Amino acid sequence: ETGVTQTPRHLVMGMTNKKSLKCEQHLGHNAMYWYKQSAKKPLELMFVYNFKEQTENNSVPSRFSPECPNSSHLFLHLHTLQPEDSALYLCASSQAGGRGEQFFGPGTRLTVL
Amino acid sequence: GESVGLHLPTLSVQEGDNSIINCAYSNSASDYFIWYKQESGKGPQFIIDIRSNMDKRQGQRVTVLLNKTVKHLSLQIAATQPGDSAVYFCAENSSGDYKLSFGAGTTVTVRA
Repeated sequence: ETGVTQTPRHLVMGMTNKKSLKCEQHLGHNAMYWYKQSAKKPLELMFVYNFKEQTENNSVPSRFSPECPNSSHLFLHLHTLQPEDSALYLCASSQAGGRGEQFFGPGTRLTVL
Repeated sequence: GESVGLHLPTLSVQEGDNSIINCAYSNSASDYFIWYKQESGKGPQFIIDIRSNMDKRQGQRVTVLLNKTVKHLSLQIAATQPGDSAVYFCAENSSGDYKLSFGAGTTVTVRA
């Protein structure tokens, strides 16, 4: 257990569906991250929040919409996804400023049909 | 942009032998490096880190070596065990930047 939880662990959705991924951290951190992990590729940073403010949007398509209501919770809202969006979505947290270790959740395995 | 990469995508090791996993980086401003381990069905887990003012750091059964001259990082695992089978990632960032850049990973398989 890393102190970062993600739900659901697995998600299958059609291209017209709307779903949300949830991340919660119990480490007292103030920075949270969404990453996309595809097979044989490096982790791709998607979004960064510091003290609930979005500080990074790494050219992510608008069909992915993040939400950070407080420093402990992070959501990724999904709508009209494409099959190529199928991947493992990882949430991480760290101390604000990010210098140092990021703690990862177990990820949500997303399949888009 | 900067890139972080591992030399080999896969490594097969006999149980009990030592493992060496390599990583090259291109950003000369990188001054902090982390090794992560990712087991099947789990997120990456921190193994060990090193700052650029050091060239070696040891943990429990692991050693990280940093050669800033050639921008090379390695992870050595002593007496490799079946539980060491996983994908290993190096990551780096530079002072003033909170983002980590990750390599693609090396899959280590331990043979009994």
